[in-house]
Amino acid sequence: ETGVTQSPTHLIKTRGQQVTLRCSSQSGHNTVSWYQQALGQGPQFIFQYYREEENGRGNFPPRFSGLQFPNYSSELNVNALELDDSALYLCASSSWGGEKLFFGSGTQLSVL
Amino acid sequence: QQQVKQSPQSLIVQKGGISIINCAYENTAFDYFPWYQQFPGKGPALLIAIRPDVSEKKEGRFTISFNKSAKQFSLHIMDSQPGDSATYFCAARYSGAGSYQLTFGKGTKLSVIP
Repeated sequence: ETGVTQSPTHLIKTRGQQVTLRCSSQSGHNTVSWYQQALGQGPQFIFQYYREEENGRGNFPPRFSGLQFPNYSSELNVNALELDDSALYLCASSSWGGEKLFFGSGTQLSVL
Repeated sequence: QQQVKQSPQSLIVQKGGISIINCAYENTAFDYFPWYQQFPGKGPALLIAIRPDVSEKKEGRFTISFNKSAKQFSLHIMDSQPGDSATYFCAARYSGAGSYQLTFGKGTKLSVIP
């Protein structure tokens, strides 16, 4: 088990709603990355946070946004939910530039 | 450019056999190549990783072979066990534009039968 915890574990939302997912990083880690894993696919990079700033983004629209807090925990916010947003959302923590990413167990989001 | 292609999609191996999963990439800027293991309901867990200046790395029953010129790398699982049954992902790290991001393959579902 990694020290990365995510909440909630499961979530059901309706199209058009907004959602906030939370992540507590492993002790000593100052960098948080978020990934989206669709069913039967590999995780896809959403963005990365370091020193409370977004410093890298994958191919995701602006309605995907995030925050990192001084204790290095993080939130992922998704506005105007679409059916295709249904996926497992994974948070990973690391030290800055560190090669080893430690993933949480994810939040399973279902958009109806 | 950012794609990592993984094969096979699924693999069935007898207990004690060798499991081999292959990946190929295009972007020569990738600087780190990890393999992750994922069980149902869990996040991916780092299994083993290699840097592009090394041709092979072995940790216990797991070996990565890396061919820089062919832009290919593979995972070998020796003496496969039923407990190895999981989905395996290869990945490649891009370090640029101020961030570190992994590009994953689509995964290989390994089933080890007794």
